[in-house]
Amino acid sequence: EIVLTQSPGSLSLSPGERATLSCRASQSVTSNYLAWYQQKPGQAPRLLIYGASSRATGIPDRFSGSGSGTDFTLTISRLEPEDFAVYYCQQYGRSPWPFGQGTRVEIK
Amino acid sequence: QVQLQESGPGLVKPSETLSLTCTVSGASITSYYWNWIRQPPGKGLEWIGYIHYTGTTSYNPSLKSRVTMSVDTSKNQFSLKLSSVTAADTAVYYCASTVQYWGQGTLVTVSS
Repeated sequence: EIVLTQSPGSLSLSPGERATLSCRASQSVTSNYLAWYQQKPGQAPRLLIYGASSRATGIPDRFSGSGSGTDFTLTISRLEPEDFAVYYCQQYGRSPWPFGQGTRVEIK
Repeated sequence: QVQLQESGPGLVKPSETLSLTCTVSGASITSYYWNWIRQPPGKGLEWIGYIHYTGTTSYNPSLKSRVTMSVDTSKNQFSLKLSSVTAADTAVYYCASTVQYWGQGTLVTVSS
C-alpha cells in the first residue's frame, strides 16, 4: 500500500509569489499516475493535474506538475488571490488510491 | 457535460448502515472507475474505494470490512454501503470518476 506524504503542511505566501508543493510516495507510482487537486472551503475538490504533469481542461498555465517515481511537485508560478486553498495529491496507479494529507496555501 | 449527484439519508443512527447512491449523467457508467471519497469536518480527503462496471472493486484497507459497492448499469448509478457506522463516519461523502469528475458532496451525520 502506497502512502503519500505532502510537504509543507502549510505555506504562507503573498500574491504574485511562487508556490512549490511536494508529494512524496512510499513506493514508486505506477505510470506516474499522480493527480493534484485544489479544494476551497465548502467546495468539492477540483482536478488540476493528472498523469503527474498534464493540466486538466480549463486549468491556467501558472499551474504545473512535475516529477516521477516517488517524488512529485506542484508549482504555482505566480499566486493569484483565488489560488489560496488546500491542495491534495492522489496516486491512482495501483490500488488502493490514497490521498496525501494536504498542503494549505495561505495569504501572508 | 458530465455530472455526478449523490443521494441518500443525511442522518444515520450509530450501528446502522449508511447507504448512498451516485447518479451519473453525461457519461456512460461503463467508462472510468467510480469512486467514493469522504471528508470528515475540518479534515482531509479519505479514499473509500472504487468500482468498475464489470464489478471489480477495490476498497481502502481500513474500511474494507464494512464497505460494499455496487453498480447499476441500467440506471447509470453506483452505490455505497458502509455498515456499523459510528460518529467517526460523519463526513461529507463525494462520488467521483477516476480523478476527473466529482459530485458536489453530501453531508452524512451519524447520531442517535
